[in-house]
Amino acid sequence: EDQVTQSPEALRLQEGESSSLNCSYTVSGLRGLFWYRQDPGKGPEFLFTLYSAGEEKEKERLKATLTKKESFLHITAPKPEDSATYLCAVQAWGYSTLTFGKGTMLLVSP
Amino acid sequence: EAEVAQSPRYKITEKSQAVAFWCDPISGHATLYWYRQILGQGPELLVQFQDESVVDDSQLPKDRFSAERLKGVDSTLKIQPAELGDSAMYLCASSSGLAGGSYNEQFFGPGTRLTVL
Repeated sequence: EDQVTQSPEALRLQEGESSSLNCSYTVSGLRGLFWYRQDPGKGPEFLFTLYSAGEEKEKERLKATLTKKESFLHITAPKPEDSATYLCAVQAWGYSTLTFGKGTMLLVSP
Repeated sequence: EAEVAQSPRYKITEKSQAVAFWCDPISGHATLYWYRQILGQGPELLVQFQDESVVDDSQLPKDRFSAERLKGVDSTLKIQPAELGDSAMYLCASSSGLAGGSYNEQFFGPGTRLTVL
């Protein structure tokens, strides 16, 4: 059974204070690892897809990296508008469905 | 920008009543998913359609939940009768199913927040 564990559950940062979110996974053959952002009361918003260990992708202040066991979402010099829940999900070969973690709730204070 | 549409955005109902949610995927997307998200948890798949056919409904509580996508475009998820434990966000997502590019990415709608009293 595919499993995704995200840590920490919640993270509070000061504006400009860089940090990383962790996503550990077990999957029977990784097809893709996905990062989403979710604002309260809204649907998840797609951020990145990573397909192989060593791959990195960037978008504004966010950078996602992937190893064979985990993925990191690095947030550089965050701003209050980066406050949201960040969800990680995996997709196994032969399937198109996603298995999600519980998310990390990020709060960035001015 | 193309988006997944869902309605209603909010629904309050009493237990034992019937409720229905509607989803219109991004135009041209062949694959449609319904997820349920309990507060503080990640989304969990209920049912997946490829065009008008069900691909995976192994996690759908079939005694009370039903889903259809009759013409392979929009979809309806129904609960009858609703129970207190069904209170959650119901999310619809779609993906293109095209080789390469954004093949695997699922795009989510705004969700329907269901409260069962």
